[in-house]
Amino acid sequence: KNEVEQSPQNLTAQEGEFITINCSYSVGISALHWLQQHPGGGIVSLFMLSSGKKKHGRLIATINIQEKHSSLHITASHPRDSAVYICAVDLVQGNLIFGKGTKLSVKP
Amino acid sequence: EPEVTQTPSHQVTQMGQEVILRCVPISNHLYFYWYRQILGQKVEFLVSFYNNEISEKSEIFDDQFSVERPDGSNFTLKIRSTKLEDSAMYFCASSQDGNYGYTFGSGTRLTVV
Repeated sequence: KNEVEQSPQNLTAQEGEFITINCSYSVGISALHWLQQHPGGGIVSLFMLSSGKKKHGRLIATINIQEKHSSLHITASHPRDSAVYICAVDLVQGNLIFGKGTKLSVKP
Repeated sequence: EPEVTQTPSHQVTQMGQEVILRCVPISNHLYFYWYRQILGQKVEFLVSFYNNEISEKSEIFDDQFSVERPDGSNFTLKIRSTKLEDSAMYFCASSQDGNYGYTFGSGTRLTVV
């Protein structure tokens, strides 16, 4: 069965800390997505990766295709970064397998 | 910034009733998707749609579900006879060509009573 595993499940950080969320998957994929889900439920796409590294502001995403592993990093974390971060792998056009999410809480 | 718009934001329906969830994808996007998230669970893929036909669907997307792009702007998900277990948040998403990421709508919370 295709699985997407995220760690940690829950993460509490102090404002300003460097944060890493990890994602491992078990099969070949066409791409990997990092998504952000806020308490209201809406989903925002942060990154779509098929290789290497992408950066957007304080967010950095990396992927190692050989090791089937990706990481999402947040530098200089802020309370507004508090959300659930979801890793999802793209098997075939839009058929995403989602992880359970990592709930991040950043304290001021 | 262009958005994917979903309506209604919350719908309550009686078990056995038909519901139609509506989505307006970004205008130049060609690929459309529906996902659902049962409360407290992972998001799950339902269906992808391109060129006026379904391109992929999951086991969840059985005969009770259908999708349609009736007028070139709306993208709808119909559930013919709702069950209690259909209660979930339903997300629509669209992408330009499938290679540059997806834009998600804010979701429709469906409650079947």
